[in-house]
Amino acid sequence: SQTIHQWPATLVQPVGSPLSLECTVEGTSNPNLYWYRQAAGRGLQLLFYSVGIGQISSEVPQNLSASRPQDRQFILSSKKLLLSDSGFYLCAWSNSDRFGQPQHFGDGTRLSIL
Amino acid sequence: AQKVTQAQTEISVVEKEDVTLDCVYETRDTTYYLFWYKQPPSGELVFLIRRNSFDEQNEISGRYSWNFQKSTSSFNFTITASQVVDSAVYFCALSGITGFQKLVFGTGTRLLVSP
Repeated sequence: SQTIHQWPATLVQPVGSPLSLECTVEGTSNPNLYWYRQAAGRGLQLLFYSVGIGQISSEVPQNLSASRPQDRQFILSSKKLLLSDSGFYLCAWSNSDRFGQPQHFGDGTRLSIL
Repeated sequence: AQKVTQAQTEISVVEKEDVTLDCVYETRDTTYYLFWYKQPPSGELVFLIRRNSFDEQNEISGRYSWNFQKSTSSFNFTITASQVVDSAVYFCALSGITGFQKLVFGTGTRLLVSP
């Protein structure tokens, strides 16, 4: 069966520090991968998605970037964090072979910027 | 453009009550997919159900049931005999078949079930 791992679970970082969140998927190949952010008490905002290695699409211009160095690895990064980067970050995957596939989410990372 | 509206921000019920969460969607696609997700306090999103636009049959899974009506562009979710463990934020979502398969999420409905 497929599983998705996301870490760390929580992170407290000072303003201006770098960020690296990692997500890996097991049990499937060539998945679509996604990064979402959820501000406190708010809905989900799609940040990035990827259909293959090295292929990244950005939904919202911002202080963050994403990379997909391997088929089942998706990394969210920032060179200098802002206070507004605080939130709950979720990684997700879906099958890429057909339309209408559900996305399956990791446990999320709670990021607090001080 | 696609849009999902969950007008109920928060619903509070007492255990064993039935509760319906509303979801209204907008799309110009003739083929599309609808989803419901549950987000418990721990934060992860749990996939509950997927429906395609050609299947208007209602679905029941235990205490959960879903009513899909294309005539009103609605995909409502009913929990029968609610339990405290049902307390969560529930999201309705929509995806089409053109372009990339993004999910358009509603803003979610927070359900509080008290004992």
